[in-house]
Amino acid sequence: DADVTQTPRNRITKTGKRIMLECSQTKGHDRMYWYRQDPGLGLRLIYYSFDVKDINKGEISDGYSVSRQAQAKFSLSLESAIPNQTALYFCATSGLPGYNEQFFGPGTRLTVL
Amino acid sequence: LAKTTQPISMDSYEGQEVNITCSHNNIATNDYITWYQQFPSQGPRFIIQGYKTKVTNEVASLFIPADRKSSTLSLPRVSLSDTAVYYCLVGDFPNQGGKLIFGQGTELSVKP
Repeated sequence: DADVTQTPRNRITKTGKRIMLECSQTKGHDRMYWYRQDPGLGLRLIYYSFDVKDINKGEISDGYSVSRQAQAKFSLSLESAIPNQTALYFCATSGLPGYNEQFFGPGTRLTVL
Repeated sequence: LAKTTQPISMDSYEGQEVNITCSHNNIATNDYITWYQQFPSQGPRFIIQGYKTKVTNEVASLFIPADRKSSTLSLPRVSLSDTAVYYCLVGDFPNQGGKLIFGQGTELSVKP
């Protein structure tokens, strides 16, 4: 089984709808991240969390919110989806400070019509 | 966070060695250099990380000159499966937490 899983893998929705993307990990890592990737571009950090009680904004947090329900679960919500939030969304985890490798999930392809 | 510049695309043939160079002129003393690989519709995968001189693992080598203003990822004897986008990232990763800043990357195409 994959260490980092994301659900759903694909989602088509309409403008104004509330959407939640979920991420679960079995690596036992404290740190979790949400990124988005637009076609032909690199990833941009949306939010990150260093433990269950810690939430931090990333580079592009406007229009998004997150919830860290447990060490293993980190959800990303779009309260009112808009078409320019159409993108590929990745969740990632990493271990203790100094251990710099991030492990990415398979991604969720979101289309907002 | 240091800005990086790398070629948009590169072509190679199976069996060749591929070198991808990344420029990071404003790298800071505490910054490390990290490379990730991304296949289409998949999340990036960590390849290698270094601070200075040369680092080698089972997948690649990373060469960093003394001034650290650039670095070169070397992939020995590439195969078709090495076709991917390669990202160079620079930052104080041990202390900056999750602030990975991805640029546009280098799209490597390996041909038969």
